[in-house]
Amino acid sequence: AQTVTQSQPEMSVQEAETVTLSCTYDTSENNYYLFWYKQPPSRQMILVIRQEAYKQQNATENRFSVNFQKAAKSFSLKISDSQLGDTAMYFCAFMNLMNYGGSQGNLIFGKGTKLSVKP
Amino acid sequence: NAGVTQTPKFRILKIGQSMTLQCTQDMNHNYMYWYRQDPGMGLKLIYYSVGAGITDKGEVPNGYNVSRSTTEDFPLRLELAAPSQTSVYFCASSYVSQGADGYTFGSGTRLTVV
Repeated sequence: AQTVTQSQPEMSVQEAETVTLSCTYDTSENNYYLFWYKQPPSRQMILVIRQEAYKQQNATENRFSVNFQKAAKSFSLKISDSQLGDTAMYFCAFMNLMNYGGSQGNLIFGKGTKLSVKP
Repeated sequence: NAGVTQTPKFRILKIGQSMTLQCTQDMNHNYMYWYRQDPGMGLKLIYYSVGAGITDKGEVPNGYNVSRSTTEDFPLRLELAAPSQTSVYFCASSYVSQGADGYTFGSGTRLTVV
């Protein structure tokens, strides 16, 4: 079974600085997606960034970028120029694209990292 | 475009009561999911559906039931509520073939069983 591990329960960063959130996963599959979701105090789950496993190039979305190391099964999120609005829980998630018993497309989440951006 | 709509947003139940959490999506997504989020535990899959008339168990299905009579609706039924079911519940939907977009989530239902 696939698992996702986020080893940092809480982190803090000063406004305008850079922070990196860690995520590792365990799978025997070769075809999958990885995601980072943001959950602010409003509770809404917001997709931040995604990475297809077959792509070697790291995904980037404005101030958010990932460091995807497929062999190491590592998928970290870097937030540059941190803003107060980045304060939230961040969840790493894995999606298997192989249809084993109907599990295709199910998202498996890590426990999350609570990020606080300080002024 | 409303996306995924969950009702109610908050609910307090007494032990042994039953209720249905409603979820509807207007994006014609074929896949729908129910997750629960406990403090410090991330999200865990309760049930999912790959299309109307087809449902299957996820990681934590005990104490819950689902049905999928239409593409749009995927209600979650709690029978004989227990304190262990106190949690935040999220409904989500997706096109698996467009998995790179991830899921579209509802805004969640905070349920307290007392």
